Amino acid sequence: ILNVEQSPQSLHVQEGDSTNFTCSFPSSNFYALHWYRWETAKSPEALFVMTLNGDEKKKGRISATLNTKEGYSYLYIKGSQPEDSATYLCAFNALNLIWGLGTSLAVNP
Amino acid sequence: DTAVSQTPKYLVTQMGNDKSIKCEQNLGHDTMYWYKQDSKKFLKIMFSYNNKELIINETVPNRFSPKSPDKAHLNLHINSLELGDSAVYFCASSQSLPDEQYFGPGTRLTVT
Repeated sequence: ILNVEQSPQSLHVQEGDSTNFTCSFPSSNFYALHWYRWETAKSPEALFVMTLNGDEKKKGRISATLNTKEGYSYLYIKGSQPEDSATYLCAFNALNLIWGLGTSLAVNP
Repeated sequence: DTAVSQTPKYLVTQMGNDKSIKCEQNLGHDTMYWYKQDSKKFLKIMFSYNNKELIINETVPNRFSPKSPDKAHLNLHINSLELGDSAVYFCASSQSLPDEQYFGPGTRLTVT
């Protein structure tokens, strides 16, 4: 059974703090790794799709790295803002798309 | 311009009824999906279609039947609704399976 695990499950930080989360996935049959941002009462929005080992992608204050050989990806947020509060989901793409349970981030002003 | 739209947004119905949720995307994508967000907020894929053909069919009751009349539409029909079917259902689309997905606003289904 393929499993995608995200840690921590939830995180509370102060405005201005930098933070990071982990997504662990099977290292076999890798095709792509997705990161999504999901605000309460809205729909998930894609942040990054990563396909190559060693990939590093950046969007504003958010960046992600990928290690397909050991099966993990990190998502970093630099200088967290209250509007960054959301659940961050990763999804592992092998033959199917398998989603993690997400990391819930709350940024206190 | 709405990229992925779903109708209805809310659906309240009684046990035993049959209902449909419609999904349309205007992005020209080849692949569409149905997800169920369960009570624990977990997002679980149900079905995926590529160019009107079923490519992912997870273990869901056969009371759920997707229908794709064309590649811009993927409708979800549910027969004999049960209390446990209450959830938010999301439709999504992507150019192909590995690509980023665009989600619809969700349909909140409540079965009483």
